[in-house]
Amino acid sequence: EVQLVESGGGLVQPGRSLRLSCAASGFTFDDYAMHWVRQTPGKGPEWVSGISWNGGSIVYADSVKGRFTISRDNAKNALYLQMNSLRAEDTALYYCAKGAYSNYEDNWFDPWGQGTLVTVSS
Amino acid sequence: QSVLTQPPSASGTPGQRVTISCSGSSSNIGSNYVYWYQQLPGTAPKLLMYRNNQRPSGVPDRFSGSKSGTSASLAISGLRAEDEADYYCAAWDDSLSGYVFGTGTKVTVL
Repeated sequence: EVQLVESGGGLVQPGRSLRLSCAASGFTFDDYAMHWVRQTPGKGPEWVSGISWNGGSIVYADSVKGRFTISRDNAKNALYLQMNSLRAEDTALYYCAKGAYSNYEDNWFDPWGQGTLVTVSS
Repeated sequence: QSVLTQPPSASGTPGQRVTISCSGSSSNIGSNYVYWYQQLPGTAPKLLMYRNNQRPSGVPDRFSGSKSGTSASLAISGLRAEDEADYYCAAWDDSLSGYVFGTGTKVTVL
């Protein structure tokens, strides 16, 4: 069974940093692109970033470009999101999601993890 | 910031058919596949439809998808109480080089 377990969320002050992790199991991790998607309670999901199977291709939403960095460690079956210069509007539940192919373009997210909550507030 | 537009709500009685629309543009729905996700209360979104009209294993054939031009639709026939959820469309956007989601539609079973 494919499992994605996020961790690393918490309460952080504006301007500070946080690193999220996603532990993957149940599939050949380095065969697939991976993504981060966030969702504010009561609103729809917002895609944040995607990374290809080997980390060679990376893409970000404009809202996080220059502040967030996605990475992966295929030896550890792990996905990461380094979030710097955090803002109040980054407050959300952050999901890790498996892509359908090795590259991140034009494919679907399945499955999603249960999410880790990030709250940016002073 | 949702780029794809959906009606905020839809409803029906058990057994009825409900249709949800998703309107986009030439850079997303007009040139790429549409995906649909179902989010039950308190849970993570779950893939419901991929490549416009393909159902993943385990999704009942009561759910069907279609796409025409820059719009897409999800239909639920034989509506059941367990279909009460939020539904989101999504697509890759060539102009943004990223994924965009719809505004979401809350389906209520009366």
